[in-house]
Amino acid sequence: EDQVTQSPEALRLQEGESSSLNCSYTVSGLRGLFWYRQDPGKGPEFLFTLYSAGEEKEKERLKATLTKKESFLHITAPKPEDSATYLCAVQETGANNLFFGTGTRLTVIP
Amino acid sequence: DAMVIQNPRYQVTQFGKPVTLSCSQTLNHNVMYWYQQKSSQAPKLLFHYYDKDFNNEADTPDNFQSRRPNTSFCFLDIRSPGLGDAAMYLCATSREWDQPQHFGDGTRLSIL
Repeated sequence: EDQVTQSPEALRLQEGESSSLNCSYTVSGLRGLFWYRQDPGKGPEFLFTLYSAGEEKEKERLKATLTKKESFLHITAPKPEDSATYLCAVQETGANNLFFGTGTRLTVIP
Repeated sequence: DAMVIQNPRYQVTQFGKPVTLSCSQTLNHNVMYWYQQKSSQAPKLLFHYYDKDFNNEADTPDNFQSRRPNTSFCFLDIRSPGLGDAAMYLCATSREWDQPQHFGDGTRLSIL
């Protein structure tokens, strides 16, 4: 069973059109949930870590939230430079590795 | 001011010819990781080191090996690459297990 599922697989937005990306997870205990941005041909770039339900983190146009079963990455008034694949990864309590989702490929059209 | 550096960025090898990918870090992090990422797929963990303690994921093929001679460097050796090993190989580091991982820009491996 997949531990991390991201939706949608792909999302096209007009510049300025706010939206949310979803990451749902199934782990027995959550040590941390991580959001990354990945540009084509590059390695993932760290964005946020969330550790407990109710926690929120913000950076520029991005805001990440966490519940006991899922996390959302809210993008407010996106710009074309926000176009990238956004990856979610979870770390289980007592585990040393991350389980990544397959990502949401975001395209922001001018 | 790159902090996790992977060389080369692109590597082409022949079917069955050994290849080594390298990773260096300037962050002085304890943990180093190697991931394999195929097109439109999630990164898949191959190995990780805490200092010199090596951890091999259960489903990592025997064809893949790794070395970490010191804190700063880590190598991925593929002994006999097959066509299915063509992928992006990502190196990452973290200060501790539960800290964010910082990735290099990867080495894209092609097999002829």
